[in-house]
Amino acid sequence: ETGVTQTPRHLVMGMTNKKSLKCEQHLGHNAMYWYKQSAKKPLELMFVYSLEERVENNSVPSRFSPECPNSSHLFLHLHTLQPEDSALYLCASSKEPGPTYEQYFGPGTRLTVT
Amino acid sequence: AQSVAQPEDQVNVAEGNPLTVKCTYSVSGNPYLFWYVQYPNRGLQFLLKYITGDNLVKGSYGFEAEFNKSQTSFHLKKPSALVSDSALYFCAVRDRDSGYALNFGKGTSLLVTP
Repeated sequence: ETGVTQTPRHLVMGMTNKKSLKCEQHLGHNAMYWYKQSAKKPLELMFVYSLEERVENNSVPSRFSPECPNSSHLFLHLHTLQPEDSALYLCASSKEPGPTYEQYFGPGTRLTVT
Repeated sequence: AQSVAQPEDQVNVAEGNPLTVKCTYSVSGNPYLFWYVQYPNRGLQFLLKYITGDNLVKGSYGFEAEFNKSQTSFHLKKPSALVSDSALYFCAVRDRDSGYALNFGKGTSLLVTP
């Protein structure tokens, strides 16, 4: 495995629910990322954290709220989602956020919004 | 702006034959290029990267890729395909001016038949 874990692996939620996705990396990396993977579309970068500081928010709606309490953990808090938010949400980490560092991905959380 | 194109949605290869998955890129500066593989219901796994130096890069599972600056290409290759290589392959690019975004192509589905 890649050293990046995500829970839960599957999540079904109604539009009025509040839920959280969790990511943990065991690689000692300093940067963490959230991506959205929808069918037939390229991966979309949502958020980037470097040393627990958010350094990029890629025009993501406020119903998605990230949290990075330390360099090993990353959360994505979800509330009042829309059906079009159904997708695979991938967490990744890299040694540093710079462009030459490869990213290591978790297995993803398959989210279905009903 | 930077972008990646994977011109083939699907590539079919017989087991034991060589395989090529194509990728072309567009960046304003020097490119940093990556290949990832995604198996069903799994996250992306890093295969190899080109940062600088030798144009032929060797990676995991016997894969290699050739950086061609004049053709702005970074095709993934393997001399002898295995059925277990069947998966979704993503090319990605960054450059120094692209911020934190790792820009992915839409993916190419590789099917290796026995």
